[in-house]
Amino acid sequence: AQSVTQLGSHVSVSEGALVLLRCNYSSSVPPYLFWYVQYPNQGLQLLLKYTSAATLVKGINGFEAEFKKSETSFHLTKPSAHMSDAAEYFCAVTSTSGTYKYIFGTGTRLKVLA
Amino acid sequence: ETGVTQSPTHLIKTRGQQVTLRCSSQSGHNTVSWYQQALGQGPQFIFQYYREEENGRGNFPPRFSGLQFPNYSSELNVNALELDDSALYLCASSLGQGPDTQYFGPGTRLTVL
Repeated sequence: AQSVTQLGSHVSVSEGALVLLRCNYSSSVPPYLFWYVQYPNQGLQLLLKYTSAATLVKGINGFEAEFKKSETSFHLTKPSAHMSDAAEYFCAVTSTSGTYKYIFGTGTRLKVLA
Repeated sequence: ETGVTQSPTHLIKTRGQQVTLRCSSQSGHNTVSWYQQALGQGPQFIFQYYREEENGRGNFPPRFSGLQFPNYSSELNVNALELDDSALYLCASSLGQGPDTQYFGPGTRLTVL
C-alpha cells in the first residue's frame, strides 16, 4: 500500500534562511507526488507536482522539489524563507492506476522567525 | 474560471443528526473527491465520483454517502453524526479519471456537539 511520511511536524527557520521540508513515500509503482500548502482556515493550494517527467520540479512562490527514486524522497525546498511562507505543508502521493485518490502525509507546520 | 466552492463554510450539529455538505466543481471538471481532515492531521480520502458514479472509496462507514449531479456538483451526506466526525471536509475536483491534479475548495468546518 502507498504511504507518505513527513519528518518533522514542526519546522522553524529564520527569515531568509533555507527551507527544507522532508517527504518520503512508499509505492510499488512509480507514483505521482504533490506538495500542497494550507493557510489557516483555508483549503489546500497546489505548490508543485511530479508526474514522471523532470526529477527537479519548480513550483509557485519559489519552491522546488526533487524526486529521488533511490531514496524514495520528494523533499521541498526554498532558498530563502519569507514571513508569508508560514503555513502547513502537505506531501501527497497518488497511484498511476486505479482510483486516483491522494494519500497525504500528516503535514509539517512551518514557522518563519523574524 | 471559477474555482471549487463549498457550502456552508461552518456548521454545528448535535450527535445523531444528519448533515449535507455541498461542492461545486471547477468549470470543466468531471471528477470530484471528498476528504476529511481532522484537527492536526492530513486529509483522509472518503470517496470519489466520476460522471455521477462512485469511483472509489476510502475506509469510511456507509453512513458517509455522496452524490454527483449532471452538472458535476456534488454532495456529501453523513448520517447519525458522531463526535469524531468533527473535522474540516474538503472537496477537490479534477479533469478526467486519471491521476490529474486535484483542485481543492476552502472546506466546510463541521462541529458535532
